Amino acid sequence: QVQLVESGGGVVQPGTSLRLSCAASGFTFGSKGMHWVRQAPGKGLEWVAVISYNGVNKYYRDSVKGRFTISRDNTKNTLFLQMNSLKTEDTAVYYCVKDPSTLIRFFDYWGQGTLVTVSS
Amino acid sequence: SYVLTQPPSVSVAPGQTATITCGGSNIGTKGVHWYQQRPGQAPVVVVHDDNDRPSGIPERLSGSKSGNTATLTISRVEAGDEADYYCQVWDTSSDHAVFGGGTKLTVL
Repeated sequence: QVQLVESGGGVVQPGTSLRLSCAASGFTFGSKGMHWVRQAPGKGLEWVAVISYNGVNKYYRDSVKGRFTISRDNTKNTLFLQMNSLKTEDTAVYYCVKDPSTLIRFFDYWGQGTLVTVSS
Repeated sequence: SYVLTQPPSVSVAPGQTATITCGGSNIGTKGVHWYQQRPGQAPVVVVHDDNDRPSGIPERLSGSKSGNTATLTISRVEAGDEADYYCQVWDTSSDHAVFGGGTKLTVL
């Protein structure tokens, strides 16, 4: 069965960096697009970024463009999100999410999420 | 930027039908997907591509679209349907995935 396990969350100060990882199993990781979606405490869902199956195509929401970088290692079935210059408004649970297509279609499997808290 | 509008809350008695709407400009040209998020859990897709159900999702949940509105209908509502529901599309003009604000379904 599909499993997505996020790690790397924690409490950090504004302006610092954090790298999230997502270990994937139960499907052919290297043939599917992958996303990060976040949810601030008590708020709705917010898409963050997507990467194509081969890592060539990447798209970001405007508020993280230039600060966050999505990447993947298909040899290790792992998705990453490098987050730099973190802001308090980046505080959220970050979900690793699988797409059924090679890039973008919809979100068919979600991890349990990892909490990132940006606070001074 | 593209906006999807959902009612913040919907309440329904057990056994009745719940209707959750999702409004957006030219939504008829976009594939609409719906997610259910129970308290403390990750979201789960319940309808994709307007009206397709993943395996394991009851037939009581169905999606439709008309004009500038997509609708998630839950028939014969049960206590276990109480959750937040989100609609979502991919906006090709901005290359962004967009979620509606979410609707909290309360079973009375």
